[in-house]
Amino acid sequence: EAQVTQNPRYLITVTGKKLTVTCSQNMNHEYMSWYRQDPGLGLRQIYYSMNVEVTDKGDVPEGYKVSRKEKRNFPLILESPSPNQTSLYFCASSPGGGYYGYTFGSGTRLTVV
Amino acid sequence: DQQVKQNSPSLSVQEGRISILNCDYTNSMFDYFLWYKKYPAEGPTFLISISSIKDKNEDGRFTVFLNKSAKHLSLHIVPSQPGDSAVYFCAASSKTGNQFYFGTGTSLTVIP
Repeated sequence: EAQVTQNPRYLITVTGKKLTVTCSQNMNHEYMSWYRQDPGLGLRQIYYSMNVEVTDKGDVPEGYKVSRKEKRNFPLILESPSPNQTSLYFCASSPGGGYYGYTFGSGTRLTVV
Repeated sequence: DQQVKQNSPSLSVQEGRISILNCDYTNSMFDYFLWYKKYPAEGPTFLISISSIKDKNEDGRFTVFLNKSAKHLSLHIVPSQPGDSAVYFCAASSKTGNQFYFGTGTSLTVIP
């Protein structure tokens, strides 16, 4: 089944403790992206990648890192999480962005206390 | 600043009637416009898209209309079904297709 897989689905952590949310897609898509969803703000793009080793900032990149060493994987790294990063995170992939749209994972609910 | 806006947080429609969801944007450089549907505890699902060279795109019960001069797009669902009850997001991107901007969503409830 074609899908984007994120792990974990739920995570509670403490301020300052580094964490990684993994994302993997099995559709051989070139584009991958991370979003966060917050009440009243919709989905906001954190980082995106158009190919292996090519990444760029989205709208809200502060406090996040990404890497794209393989085409299928696009992990999101929070080096020192803070409570304002408590949010619902989505990873997504696309064959070419734009008109094709993105296929989203099921989300990771992160709480930073 | 929000470049894509959905001004109606919620909408209720009777089953079988038309649902019209609206979206406005500010950036005239956007080339692609998309609608996504989201159920609770799931990721958004791509529904339909339209490029800026068109003013209408249809897929079954779903039709998207684009009015470039007004910087406005709408999604029509006819006839509405209870399974259409979800949050609908509109999104826009430039021709390069890498950066996407989403609206805040409209929660649609279809009443049986």
